[in-house]
Amino acid sequence: AQSVTQLDSQVPVFEEAPVELRCNYSSSVSVYLFWYVQYPNQGLQLLLKYLSGSTLVKGINGFEAEFNKSQTSFHLRKPSVHISDTAEYFCAVSPEPGYSTLTFGKGTMLLVSP
Amino acid sequence: ETGVTQTPRHLVMGMTNKKSLKCEQHLGHNAMYWYKQSAKKPLELMFVYNFKEQTENNSVPSRFSPECPNSSHLFLHLHTLQPEDSALYLCASSQDLGGGRPQFFGPGTRLTVL
Repeated sequence: AQSVTQLDSQVPVFEEAPVELRCNYSSSVSVYLFWYVQYPNQGLQLLLKYLSGSTLVKGINGFEAEFNKSQTSFHLRKPSVHISDTAEYFCAVSPEPGYSTLTFGKGTMLLVSP
Repeated sequence: ETGVTQTPRHLVMGMTNKKSLKCEQHLGHNAMYWYKQSAKKPLELMFVYNFKEQTENNSVPSRFSPECPNSSHLFLHLHTLQPEDSALYLCASSQDLGGGRPQFFGPGTRLTVL
């Protein structure tokens, strides 16, 4: 079984500042890793995914994440945030190999203020 | 229509009512999922269908009854619900259940049980 821990339930940040949203996971097997974003009153949208290869993954809207196997982490970063990045961000894992069913963290609310 | 659509977007029902949630995906995918999203809790996977066959039921109470008539449509039939069933119900689809397949989500149905 897998589990995902998102250490911060809420991260306030000023516009144009950098941000890091933390994600740690636990699994007895190798995993694939995902970050999703949920804007108010919407479903989840895929930001980026790590399947294999380079541990630095670039996604949409200027976000990137780095897979660290030794620390079992997959932190999400953006060098300069916008007001429009205000949303809830979810980290998720699925086992490799295996079904693509996802285990999600509780989410981190990113609050960007002017 | 593109992506994954869900109807209705909002639903209020009494504990004795019977209602159904509908999901349709326009992505040519073969796997579909129902999730429950409650405040302050991780997304909970409820059901998984692959090529119209149910492959996973995550110990969901029988008052929730899924139906998948074809790979593009997924229903969740509701009856005799409890107030604690109030939540956002999200539908998702993926190409298939192969490892690492990203899931694509609909906007959700906000359900309130009175």
